[in-house]
Formats: sequence, structure tokens, C-alpha cells
Amino acid sequence: SQQGEEDPQALSIQEGENATMNCSYKTSINNLQWYRQNSGRGLVHLILIRSNEREKHSGRLRVTLDTSKKSSSLLITASRAADTASYFCATENYGGATNKLIFGTGTLLAVQP
Amino acid sequence: DTAVSQTPKYLVTQMGNDKSIKCEQNLGHDTMYWYKQDSKKFLKIMFSYNNKELIINETVPNRFSPKSPDKAHLNLHINSLELGDSAVYFCASSQVGGARETQYFGPGTRLLVL
Repeated sequence: SQQGEEDPQALSIQEGENATMNCSYKTSINNLQWYRQNSGRGLVHLILIRSNEREKHSGRLRVTLDTSKKSSSLLITASRAADTASYFCATENYGGATNKLIFGTGTLLAVQP
Repeated sequence: DTAVSQTPKYLVTQMGNDKSIKCEQNLGHDTMYWYKQDSKKFLKIMFSYNNKELIINETVPNRFSPKSPDKAHLNLHINSLELGDSAVYFCASSQVGGARETQYFGPGTRLLVL
């Protein structure tokens, strides 16, 4: 299976703390993306990092990518209660006329106020 | 304005019935997708269409038949519904090529087969 795995499966922290989630995948990729899913809602794209990039920032988000280890991490700094959600990594390989995302198993983040 | 919309939001039906889920995107994207998310939150692609042409079919039972009347719409018809079809179905769209690989997801359709 190409399914990626995320670690931890669940994470509970206090508001203001940092949250780190890890993602491992199995195949070579063109890019890796992180998505957030609030309870009962669709997925929202957070950040994309390409295979030739090692680190990327967007607001309170920091993503790293290590293609030699086939792993990525998502760091959310100064977390807020509103960050409570499931976070998924997704890897992409270009193939033909479409882009296929393979999603990880997700990390459920709970930020306690 | 909603970028990717799905109807219905909830669908409760009996085993053996046939049902359809509709999806529309107003982003001008050329590619649309259907994903299935099971009770363990595992999200898996089912189909992908590019400019109304089927590109990806991930070994989905042929009871599932996607239809794309135009590039802004991708509907999913399911025949002879089974208990195992209960899940949340997400539609998504993207613009292939360039730097626009982000997929935009709809709110999901929660299907419960009794």
C-alpha cells in the first residue's frame, strides 16, 4: 500500500504550546501537502512543499521534508483552541493529466484552552 | 460563494437502493475527484476526471459510476447500496499543471446504509 502513516495518531496539548506531527511515506514524490479537517467538515489545504525543498513556512506553520528518509513534519507554533482538528499529509506524484494524492492516516490534534 | 459544493449533505438509505451524489465546482478547474473517507478517517481516492474524461479509477466496484456532464460537475451514482458503502464521500477539484496542485474539497456527503 502507498498509504502514508502519521505519528502520533492523537495529540493533546495546551493552548500556547507547539504541536509537531510527523508523516512517513513509501514512494518517491513530486510534492507533499498538509491538509486540515475540522470535525464534520471537508479538508482544507494548508501548505505544500516540493521534493526539492527542505523547509517551508506559512504563518504559524513550519513544514520540513526529508526525502532521504521519506518523512515530513508539520509544526504548529503557539497553538490555539481553533487549531483543534485532524491533520493529514498527502503525497503527490504527477501522472498523466491529473494529480493523485495519497493521504496519510491523520493526526487528531486537540488544543485545550 | 462556495467553491466546491455537494448535495446532499446527508443521505440515509436502505441496502439495495440506488442513490446519487452531486458535485459542482465554480473555480474553473479542469480536474475533479471523488474520495471516500471511512469510519477510521482513512481517505482514499476513488475517481478522477480531467475535462470530462476518466483518468483515475481506483479499483472501485462497478456499482459506483461517476458521470461528468461538463468540467464543472462530477456526479457519483451508486447502485445496489451495501452496508460497507457507509462513509463520507468528498468531492474535490484542482487545476492540473503549473504550480496549482492544491485540491479544494467539498463539505462531504455522509452516507449511511441501513
